[in-house]
Amino acid sequence: EVQLVESGGGLVQPGGSLRLSCSASGFTFSSYAMHWVRQAPGKGLEYVSAISSNGGSTYYADSLKGRFTISRDNSKNTLHLQMSSLRAEDTAVYYCVKLISGGSGAYDFWGQGTLVTVSS
Amino acid sequence: DIQMTQSPSSLSASVRDRVTITCRASQSIRNSLNWYQQKPGRAPKLLIYAASTLQSGVPSRFSGSGSGTDFTLSISSLQPEDFATYYCQQSYSIPFTFGPGTKVDIK
Repeated sequence: EVQLVESGGGLVQPGGSLRLSCSASGFTFSSYAMHWVRQAPGKGLEYVSAISSNGGSTYYADSLKGRFTISRDNSKNTLHLQMSSLRAEDTAVYYCVKLISGGSGAYDFWGQGTLVTVSS
Repeated sequence: DIQMTQSPSSLSASVRDRVTITCRASQSIRNSLNWYQQKPGRAPKLLIYAASTLQSGVPSRFSGSGSGTDFTLSISSLQPEDFATYYCQQSYSIPFTFGPGTKVDIK
């Protein structure tokens, strides 16, 4: 059974940093690109970042470039999102998502999400 | 970035109604369109991918169609568990942008 379990969320002051992690199991983690998606309270879904299966390629939403860094440790089946210079508008539930096989780009599994609150 | 729009933004329907939601992309995305269902407090769930392929385990009352820029999600006979918010998403080019969502509630 595929499982994605996020951790690391919490309350952080504006300008602060936070590192999210996603522990993956139930599939060959090193074979799949992984993404982060977020959802601000009461709002829609927003693409955050992506990383290729071997970690060699990374992508970010334009609004986040330079502040967030995605990485992965295939030996530990873990995905990370390092967030810095956090702003109130970064407050959201952050989901770790797995891409479906076959290259369509759809997200077939989502974690339960971890809430990041940026507030003083 | 490719912009996604959905209509309507919300709708009220009754059990057993047929419901159709429309999604439009700002440029051609071929058939790289996915649909998700989200219930309050829950992570989204994949319903349809590649415009018309039903994800495993999803009831057959859900169907998707379209290509290029215009797509639809249909629910043939709305069930109580289908009241939720539905999002389309393009996976043609990164960033994989989402539509703003369509909330389906009980009439």
